Amino acid sequence: EDKVVQSPLSLVVHEGDTVTLNCSYEVTNFRSLLWYKQEKKAPTFLFMLTSSGIEKKSGRLSSILDKKELFSILNITATQTGDSAVYLCAVYNNNDMRFGAGTRLTVKP
Amino acid sequence: ETGVTQSPTHLIKTRGQQVTLRCSSQSGHNTVSWYQQALGQGPQFIFQYYREEENGRGNFPPRFSGLQFPNYSSELNVNALELDDSALYLCASSPRGAGDTQYFGPGTRLTVL
Repeated sequence: EDKVVQSPLSLVVHEGDTVTLNCSYEVTNFRSLLWYKQEKKAPTFLFMLTSSGIEKKSGRLSSILDKKELFSILNITATQTGDSAVYLCAVYNNNDMRFGAGTRLTVKP
Repeated sequence: ETGVTQSPTHLIKTRGQQVTLRCSSQSGHNTVSWYQQALGQGPQFIFQYYREEENGRGNFPPRFSGLQFPNYSSELNVNALELDDSALYLCASSPRGAGDTQYFGPGTRLTVL
């Protein structure tokens, strides 16, 4: 059965820390892996990854995919309180977007 | 450019009732997907609509049904509500052929008592 597993489930850090969020998957007909940030309701898009080993970067956030080992990581450097949210990993296989349970990140001042 | 909108924002129903949730897709997007997100969980795929036809379905019973209209807006209908149907219902729209480029609406919070 297809599955997406995120770890850790929750994380508490202080401002300025660097965090790494993990996502492993077992999905047939893999097409892409996506990261979303969910603060209150609507998940907002962060990254889409389709190729192994190519880092995607946006400000203090970066992500990379390993299609051989079936995992991805999301890094956030110099965390800020505004980074507090649930980070969702999802894998798309042409019709079905399968999400992990998310990692709840809390950044304390 | 108008984003994805959903209505209502919140809804309270009782067991056995029926509910209809609505979604307007982002301008230029002709594919709509619906998700159920229970508290503390990731969204779960319910189904996807393209050109008014169901184009994929997750592991949800037939009492979850949908419609898509010619203007690409969509409805999610749930019959015979159960307590476990309490969740945030998210709608996402995408251009055809780019189903992984999904833009989410703010969701409808459904509470079943």
